Amino acid sequence: AQKVTQAQTEISVVEKEDVTLDCVYETRDTTYYLFWYKQPPSGELVFLIRRNSFDEQNEISGRYSWNFQKSTSSFNFTITASQVVDSAVYFCALSELRYSTLTFGKGTMLLVSP
Amino acid sequence: DAGVIQSPRHEVTEMGQEVTLRCKPISGHNSLFWYRQTMMRGLELLIYFNNNVPIDDSGMPEDRFSAKMPNASFSTLKIQPSEPRDSAVYFCASSSGPNTGELFFGEGSRLTVL
Repeated sequence: AQKVTQAQTEISVVEKEDVTLDCVYETRDTTYYLFWYKQPPSGELVFLIRRNSFDEQNEISGRYSWNFQKSTSSFNFTITASQVVDSAVYFCALSELRYSTLTFGKGTMLLVSP
Repeated sequence: DAGVIQSPRHEVTEMGQEVTLRCKPISGHNSLFWYRQTMMRGLELLIYFNNNVPIDDSGMPEDRFSAKMPNASFSTLKIQPSEPRDSAVYFCASSSGPNTGELFFGEGSRLTVL
């Protein structure tokens, strides 16, 4: 069965600090997708990134970067120079190829203070 | 382009009443998902449709819950009779096909059952 664990329930940082959100997953499949979604206070879920299991290259998008390591079954998300607008709940999710659904972690609430 | 549209955004009802939540997926998307979000359980998949056909309804809590997708542009999630423990935010999401994994979420319907 697939499972996603986000051990950090809540993180508080001060603006401009770097912060890393951890995600560990479990799956028996060799082909799968990993995702990060953002849920700001307004409530909607916003897609941030998708990675497939064959692509372990790290990805950078502006202040966001993702570190995918199959050896440790981790897909961590780093925000560099955090801003107040980054305050949100961040969800890591897993989708196995044979299913079309996402299994979400419990989420990490990030609070960035000015 | 319009995203996933859900209605109502907020619903307050009394225990025992029937509740109907509605969803219009993104045009051209042929997979539709209903998720429920609570503090205790996080984001849970309730049911998933592909080409208007229910594929996986194992997440539907009990017989009080039912979902339909009469056509490609409309789906409903019905709870009858509603109970206080059904209080949650219900999200509808769509995707362009099975196994893509990238879901586009609506803004959610916040249900409160008194």
